[in-house]
Amino acid sequence: GQQLNQSPQSMFIQEGEDVSMNCTSSSIFNTWLWYKQDPGEGPVLLIALYKAGELTSNGRLTAQFGITRKDSFLNISASIPSDVGIYFCAGQSRGSQGNLIFGKGTKLSVKP
Amino acid sequence: SQTIHQWPATLVQPVGSPLSLECTVEGTSNPNLYWYRQAAGRGLQLLFYSVGIGQISSEVPQNLSASRPQDRQFILSSKKLLLSDSGFYLCAWSKGVGIAGELFFGEGSRLTVL
Repeated sequence: GQQLNQSPQSMFIQEGEDVSMNCTSSSIFNTWLWYKQDPGEGPVLLIALYKAGELTSNGRLTAQFGITRKDSFLNISASIPSDVGIYFCAGQSRGSQGNLIFGKGTKLSVKP
Repeated sequence: SQTIHQWPATLVQPVGSPLSLECTVEGTSNPNLYWYRQAAGRGLQLLFYSVGIGQISSEVPQNLSASRPQDRQFILSSKKLLLSDSGFYLCAWSKGVGIAGELFFGEGSRLTVL
């Protein structure tokens, strides 16, 4: 079946640093989504991307839909302690009946 | 605005006991509904999804089952829990088929089977 490779698995950064994570797929996706999950809670949608090449920002977060439609990245600028959590990418391909495929997550830790 | 709630938030059950987790969505009609399981704080595994009342698709064979008795209600059940059923269960909804599949998750239910 389809799989997403999300990297890195975990990151330990200093407050104020920028963060970058990405997801790659062996197949083409029509939609890329990025979620953040705080401990003990459900994931929350951060950014949704619908077109190849699309670059979208949400505050300090920026995500891009790769031109090949097989990858996406998420950048966080000037990280703060509340950025801590697990970030998931998710992709949807045509014919998947709307079902998303999730990456395994990037666990972000921020040192104040 | 749309909201999704699931309960209970936490439960501890003995092996072999039954399970019922409930999820309801408000503020939308005919949503797609999903049950995911997350083990060890990572990886979302799709268990069931439903595109309408009484329509359930299973992604992973197991001793769990799902039902959708009403348009905005989704229930996850088991007749006899196994130790391996422990985990964090997430209900989610999305708009109907043919619309970009943004998923919106509930708060989660943490199940510990002893």
